[in-house]
Amino acid sequence: DTAVSQTPKYLVTQMGNDKSIKCEQNLGHDTMYWYKQDSKKFLKIMFSYNNKELIINETVPNRFSPKSPDKAHLNLHINSLELGDSAVYFCASSQDPKETQYFGPGTRLLVL
Amino acid sequence: AQKVTQAQTEISVVEKEDVTLDCVYETRDTTYYLFWYKQPPSGELVFLIRRNSFDEQNEISGRYSWNFQKSTSSFNFTITASQVVDSAVYFCALSDRDNAGNNRKLIWGLGTSLAVNP
Repeated sequence: DTAVSQTPKYLVTQMGNDKSIKCEQNLGHDTMYWYKQDSKKFLKIMFSYNNKELIINETVPNRFSPKSPDKAHLNLHINSLELGDSAVYFCASSQDPKETQYFGPGTRLLVL
Repeated sequence: AQKVTQAQTEISVVEKEDVTLDCVYETRDTTYYLFWYKQPPSGELVFLIRRNSFDEQNEISGRYSWNFQKSTSSFNFTITASQVVDSAVYFCALSDRDNAGNNRKLIWGLGTSLAVNP
């Protein structure tokens, strides 16, 4: 019974390709997030949705587009992948923005 | 501006030693929340503790304890009798409102990498 799941776990692709990462939570939470963790382990929030509404949109290239079809899902689509996009992408969820965030296992993206 | 500082980049101890991981934060908000997360070598982010700004009681959970002091804006984490399985990167984070006073987000420290050697 995984609380926050992400697919795929690993993604190896060529520069210029388009890829998507999917996230699902079964915790009944209203808020979901995407984070990027770089090779130095620095965690940076990218997007946050509350009840399917975008509430946080950090300075992220337009090539990144989140989509929340319902409260339990938050997907991340990346266009025209670049070498610098290589990182671990974490999805998380919380009951609301002040509550504890629970993280998915991460998606390790490698752009060649 | 909101900020979380974990001054110790790496710590190495021998098993059974006690170790304290420091966390200092900056915020203008009177209501905020502090967190610790663990990231073991397997890579997942594991929630350890959440504290709100009105609760300065120290917390103990097994070998883990947390010392929250508003006067020094610190939220330190101590592992007693460390074990090899404690080896991980530990992150301190602050939930704070953005500059417009609206949405909350987590401000993360850079993490402390703890190596516990047998």
